[in-house]
Amino acid sequence: GDSVTQMEGPVTLSEEAFLTINCTYTATGYPSLFWYVQYPGEGLQLLLKATKADDKGSNKGFEATYRKETTSFHLEKGSVQVSDSAVYFCALSGSGGYQKVTFGTGTKLQVIP
Amino acid sequence: DGGITQSPKYLFRKEGQNVTLSCEQNLNHDAMYWYRQDPGQGLRLIYYSQIVNDFQKGDIAEGYSVSREKKESFPLTVTSAQKNPTAFYLCASSLQERLNGYTFGSGTRLTVV
Repeated sequence: GDSVTQMEGPVTLSEEAFLTINCTYTATGYPSLFWYVQYPGEGLQLLLKATKADDKGSNKGFEATYRKETTSFHLEKGSVQVSDSAVYFCALSGSGGYQKVTFGTGTKLQVIP
Repeated sequence: DGGITQSPKYLFRKEGQNVTLSCEQNLNHDAMYWYRQDPGQGLRLIYYSQIVNDFQKGDIAEGYSVSREKKESFPLTVTSAQKNPTAFYLCASSLQERLNGYTFGSGTRLTVV
């Protein structure tokens, strides 16, 4: 079945550092890929998405590129802020018929001033 | 504005009691989902429903029940058979998952007292 693997956290960075959170997936066909963000005590919010190979999703300075050849969708940001501290979930939706979204286990990011 | 409303935000349950968590959406989404999140953990699917009057068990359905009498509403009952119900519960809905992923509510934190 479909699966998503994220790097273990927590990730601790200083403000203005470069962020990469790795995400790889296993799925048949051509899934859609998503990154969600969860702030403490809140629900998940869609951060960005990509629906086909080589698409780049971007939002709020975050970017991720759908790499079919490496089955990856790594999240990046050039300069993180304290307000980016949250848990980030990588997810996919399969390509065949009705498909539930499959989530990774989440990566906690802590940005220190 | 359209969205998903979960209530209450905090809920306390005594041993042996059933409690019901509310989830209402005005997005005209067909599918709705319930997830459980434990501290520092990912999301685990409890139940989901693709259409009115139909629902399926997820990965951890034991001790929970749901109904889907209206498109807008998908309440979750945590029964006394659920031995460890203390957790954060998230409701989500979707339309065209491959394009849009899920929209989440803000969650209900349930504590057994």
